[in-house]
Amino acid sequence: EVQLLESGGGLVQPGGSQRLSCAASGFTFSNYAMSWVRQAPGKGLEWVSAISGSGASTYYADSVKGRFTISRDNSKNTLYLQMNSLRAEDTAIYYCVKGSVYVYIDPWGQGTLVTVSS
Amino acid sequence: DIVMTQTPLSLSVTPGQPASISCKSSQSLLHSDGKTYLYWYLQKPGQSPQRLIYEVSNRFSGVPDRFSGSGSGTDFTLKISRVEAEDVGVYYCMQSIQLPLTFGGGTKVEIK
Repeated sequence: EVQLLESGGGLVQPGGSQRLSCAASGFTFSNYAMSWVRQAPGKGLEWVSAISGSGASTYYADSVKGRFTISRDNSKNTLYLQMNSLRAEDTAIYYCVKGSVYVYIDPWGQGTLVTVSS
Repeated sequence: DIVMTQTPLSLSVTPGQPASISCKSSQSLLHSDGKTYLYWYLQKPGQSPQRLIYEVSNRFSGVPDRFSGSGSGTDFTLKISRVEAEDVGVYYCMQSIQLPLTFGGGTKVEIK
């Protein structure tokens, strides 16, 4: 069974940093692109970033470009999202998902809540 | 970026009655490989989104056959033939023909 388990969320001050992790199991992690999708409280879904299976190619939404960095460690079956210069509008549940362009994205982890507030 | 527009914003449906959700994309989702990269997801209250339909009209394993998807190019529809209580939640369409992946704003389905 494919499983994704996010961690690393919490309360962070504006301008601060946070690193999210996503532990993957049940599939050959290195064979698949991965994405992060977020959902602000009471709002819809917003794609944040994607990374190729090898990690060589990365992609970002304009809203996070230059502040967030996606990476992966295929030896540990783990996906990361380093978030810097956090803003109040980054407050959201962050979901780790398997997949990117040209495929469906699924499954979704349970999500990890990041709250940016002073 | 491809803009995905869903209507209506919300639906209140009597159990056993049908429901229909529209999703329109600002660009064609038909790829040169012949596939149309349009998907439907359901987010039940308090849960993560779950997959329903892939490439316009294909139900994922385990999805009841009361759910059906149709459409082409830029206009798509999700239909529930007979709504049940377990179908409540927010439905999202999503395109994956190009990055950034984009979602419709969501349609909230409630039971009357």
